[in-house]
Amino acid sequence: QKEVEQNSGPLSVPEGAIASLNCTYSDRGSQSFFWYRQYSGKSPELIMFIYSNGDKEDGRFTAQLNKASQYVSLLIRDSQPSDSATYLCAVKGAGNNRKLIWGLGTSLAVNP
Amino acid sequence: DVKVTQSSRYLVKRTGEKVFLECVQDMDHENMFWYRQDPGLGLRLIYFSYDVKMKEKGDIPEGYSVSREKKERFSLILESASTNQTSMYLCASSFLGLQGPGDEQFFGPGTRLTVL
Repeated sequence: QKEVEQNSGPLSVPEGAIASLNCTYSDRGSQSFFWYRQYSGKSPELIMFIYSNGDKEDGRFTAQLNKASQYVSLLIRDSQPSDSATYLCAVKGAGNNRKLIWGLGTSLAVNP
Repeated sequence: DVKVTQSSRYLVKRTGEKVFLECVQDMDHENMFWYRQDPGLGLRLIYFSYDVKMKEKGDIPEGYSVSREKKERFSLILESASTNQTSMYLCASSFLGLQGPGDEQFFGPGTRLTVL
């Protein structure tokens, strides 16, 4: 069973701090990795994706991928109360695969 | 911008009714997906489609069927609604992306279905 695991949280950080969200996956052949943000009662929205080892930055967000250790992380710099949401990690497996495997999400609370 | 729309934001139905949920995307995506999301269970794939009239079962297809007669439209059908199908239903779409990276999924706003 291919799995994606996230700490459910809640992760609580003060405003202006760095929030670090982690995700591990079981399928070593996975090729693409996605981070989504979901506000309560709303649908998931894509933050960013990464498919090469290393870091990828987009504004205050940085995704980090380590395929050897099978984890992907999301760093949010200068966290704002508006970043308070659930963050979902999704992974596309190897081969001819159209589906994503989803983690259960990590709840983040940014305190003013 | 990708736009995925769903026919209703909120829907209340009675047990045994046939329920249709519709999803339309305007980005010419090949893939379309139906998920349900429940507290503590995350996103669970019901069905997906990679082409017109093509469909594949996801992880929890029992009690559901789907229809894709046009590329932009993907319908989820609850043949005989039951109370355990009360949930948030989310439609998503993506490009084909069989071999390469990317092919991120874009979601509609969701339909919160209550079955009484």
